Amino acid sequence: RKEVEQDPGPFNVPEGATVAFNCTYSNSASQSFFWYRQDCRKEPKLLMSVYSSGNEDGRFTAQLNRASQYISLLIRDSKLSDSATYLCVVDSGTYKYIFGTGTRLKVLA
Amino acid sequence: NAGVTQTPKFQVLKTGQSMTLQCAQDMNHNSMYWYRQDPGMGLRLIYYSASEGTTDKGEVPNGYNVSRLNKREFSLRLESAAPSQTSVYFCASTAGTGDEQYFGPGTRLTVT
Repeated sequence: RKEVEQDPGPFNVPEGATVAFNCTYSNSASQSFFWYRQDCRKEPKLLMSVYSSGNEDGRFTAQLNRASQYISLLIRDSKLSDSATYLCVVDSGTYKYIFGTGTRLKVLA
Repeated sequence: NAGVTQTPKFQVLKTGQSMTLQCAQDMNHNSMYWYRQDPGMGLRLIYYSASEGTTDKGEVPNGYNVSRLNKREFSLRLESAAPSQTSVYFCASTAGTGDEQYFGPGTRLTVT
């Protein structure tokens, strides 16, 4: 089993749709969780940190379920500019971070 | 405030040649990382430096060496490049363990 698993997609959704991504992790000792966005051939950029209480930033909501060891990202009212690959990242507790392979999102006009 | 910078942006090497990828950060971060990204593989950790003066192997260290020159700079060296090292290389830094990482723009390396 991979340490961090994501559905690779692609998710093709129309503009205005709501889309949700899930990510599962295997290390129960992990304490920090993140969603990054990566555009084609560019560096990953931090989208959101994920907190135990859940957090929201505009159209984006992130949730953490420690008992089931998964994190989620919800995007409401999708825009064309949201088209990208979304990476789930989990810390290993020893300065190292484990990256999922990413979920591709394409928002269609 | 440039964040994390990497040089060069692109490089083509012949098998057996050597080169050094440079990375610098101006955020006074303690930890720095080198990753490679291949299609369908996600980011894989090559080496990291938890703090100035320390370096440790990551998931795929074979064929690479690193130097943490000072707090700002962390270089990655390929002593004898192989076609399997064709990849996109990203440098990242973080203030401390568990903090968010900031990435440089990447180096696209092709080994023929």
